[in-house]
Amino acid sequence: GNSVTQMEGPVTLSEEAFLTINCTYTATGYPSLFWYVQYPGEGLQLLLKATKADDKGSNKGFEATYRKETTSFHLEKGSVQVSDSAVYFCALTDMEGSGGSNYKLTFGKGTLLTVNP
Amino acid sequence: KAGVTQTPRYLIKTRGQQVTLSCSPISGHRSVSWYQQTPGQGLQFLFEYFSETQRNKGNFPGRFSGRQFSNSRSEMNVSTLELGDSALYLCASSLGAGRGTEAFFGQGTRLTVV
Repeated sequence: GNSVTQMEGPVTLSEEAFLTINCTYTATGYPSLFWYVQYPGEGLQLLLKATKADDKGSNKGFEATYRKETTSFHLEKGSVQVSDSAVYFCALTDMEGSGGSNYKLTFGKGTLLTVNP
Repeated sequence: KAGVTQTPRYLIKTRGQQVTLSCSPISGHRSVSWYQQTPGQGLQFLFEYFSETQRNKGNFPGRFSGRQFSNSRSEMNVSTLELGDSALYLCASSLGAGRGTEAFFGQGTRLTVV
């Protein structure tokens, strides 16, 4: 089956530090990859996505590149802010692997990021 | 445009009772999925509905059920509640087809079973 493994948190950084959150996946087909973010008391928001190998998703200074050879989709940001404090989830959909007949997100466990001023 | 709306936001129920949660998707979205979020298990897929048909179901007992109406609104029901059902239940709506389709999440319903 499909699975997503992301680095365990929590991660604590100082403002303007560099962020990397590792994510690797297994999938039966050719998945689309996502990073979602969850702020306290909120639902999940899409941060960025990539649908094919070597695609780079980017948003709000965050980036992640779809690496098919290493089955990875690591999240990076060059300079984090206090407002980036949240839980980050790596996820995939594998509609082709499921026969294209349903929509299901498979999530990693989430990584709590705390950024201190 | 309006986002995904889940009601109620908070619920407290007693063990053995049943509960119904509601989700109104984004207009035009025909796919509605439900997820259970707990600190120990993370985000787990419950089921997905598309045009009133359940297309996929996660590994949950039969006490968890759902349905979707012709206007794409969805409900999920949990019968004979157990303490372990305490969780944040998230609903997501999407177009439900195509590579890279994005899911939009509601704020969730926080269920506490006592």
